Amino acid sequence: NAGVMQNPRHLVRRRGQEARLRCSPMKGHSHVYWYRQLPEEGLKFMVYLQKENIIDESGMPKERFSAEFPKEGPSILRIQQVVRGDSAAYFCASSPPGWGKGYNEQFFGPGTRLTVL
Amino acid sequence: GDSVTQMEGPVTLSEEACLTINCTYTATGYPSLFWYVQYPGEGLQLLLKATKADDKGSNKGFEATYRKETTSFHLEKGSVQVSDSAVYFCALSGQAGTALIFGKGTTLSVSS
Repeated sequence: NAGVMQNPRHLVRRRGQEARLRCSPMKGHSHVYWYRQLPEEGLKFMVYLQKENIIDESGMPKERFSAEFPKEGPSILRIQQVVRGDSAAYFCASSPPGWGKGYNEQFFGPGTRLTVL
Repeated sequence: GDSVTQMEGPVTLSEEACLTINCTYTATGYPSLFWYVQYPGEGLQLLLKATKADDKGSNKGFEATYRKETTSFHLEKGSVQVSDSAVYFCALSGQAGTALIFGKGTTLSVSS
């Protein structure tokens, strides 16, 4: 059973370009979360999605950032008009249905390291 | 809001030394508590977890006990190895929450 897949692993963009980060959850998992890890910081929650629904986007910056998890295909985190401060590692995690009843275990992907020049 | 505080690193130890990484939390209700480990260039892996007070999580020689009275979940290992060198994150999940809330991470470096 393959784990959580993220691509690309490394992404370089110039200021003003768009960045698209992809995440394929583990097989059978229908919940996806995105986290951002800034240098020397812990992971910060950004958004929680289920198929075709955004459940909690309280950690998403109000502008330039969006996320989706379509019925088919991977979850996408899109950053428009990137700035240097967006340089970070972006991690995706997934969990199976029924999450939240009892405890939360999330399985993490290897991350996408975004560098904005 | 909920938060996690863990000791600042880096922690530098010799092989076979004892390890303790302190973690305390602030949360309403009864969160679940986790330790994740991140090896260089990789994603986070769940190391151990505890879901209620007095539970002890253990894995690969690491242990942590959920102490409600001190709101702590300290990570311990009796004898570290070079291969334990990594960044360790303490995290909690609130009772009704969806996101994991992480501490800033503690870098452990073990030398032979």
